[in-house]
Amino acid sequence: AQSVAQPEDQVNVAEGNPLTVKCTYSVSGNPYLFWYVQYPNRGLQFLLKYITGDNLVKGSYGFEAEFNKSQTSFHLKKPSALVSDSALYFCAVIKWGAGNMLTFGGGTRLMVKP
Amino acid sequence: DGGITQSPKYLFRKEGQNVTLSCEQNLNHDAMYWYRQDPGQGLRLIYYSQIVNDFQKGDIAEGYSVSREKKESFPLTVTSAQKNPTAFYLCASSIAVTGNTGELFFGEGSRLTVL
Repeated sequence: AQSVAQPEDQVNVAEGNPLTVKCTYSVSGNPYLFWYVQYPNRGLQFLLKYITGDNLVKGSYGFEAEFNKSQTSFHLKKPSALVSDSALYFCAVIKWGAGNMLTFGGGTRLMVKP
Repeated sequence: DGGITQSPKYLFRKEGQNVTLSCEQNLNHDAMYWYRQDPGQGLRLIYYSQIVNDFQKGDIAEGYSVSREKKESFPLTVTSAQKNPTAFYLCASSIAVTGNTGELFFGEGSRLTVL
């Protein structure tokens, strides 16, 4: 089945420390991968995407993600976390087939403590 | 400003009642989607529409219905046949579905609670 997995329900980091939110994928065909962020009781906002090219993708708010084909991973990273980064993060992949729909992982809650 | 507007933000319903959630966009996007969000389950696709007067079932369409009479509007009806309707519902749009590059624009969501 084509899907993404986010193995951690929650990630806790101290402000100023680097953060990583993990994502692994399984697709038939080329992986088109995405990260979205959701603040409480709000819709999702697009952060970044990998379609092709450089394995390190830079996105909004200082976030970046590293595509690793051999490990089928697309981890989200930031060098220095802010308290305002605390939110729910979703990894997503295009599920090739009817409609080429975006399929989401279960989400990872990031808590950044002062 | 362009965007997606969902209403109402909060809605309470008695068992056995149908309820309709509104979604309007002024982004001139062809494709629109409805997702359901439950804690720990991520987002699951209910219905999507690529063009006016056309829509397709997603992964969890049972108990839901939609219409797409105008490009700007994609209302979702949660019927009494939906067994567990309490959830957060998100509407989204994109420029097109075919060759979708994955950049969806989301509304602020509607939280439905069945009493």
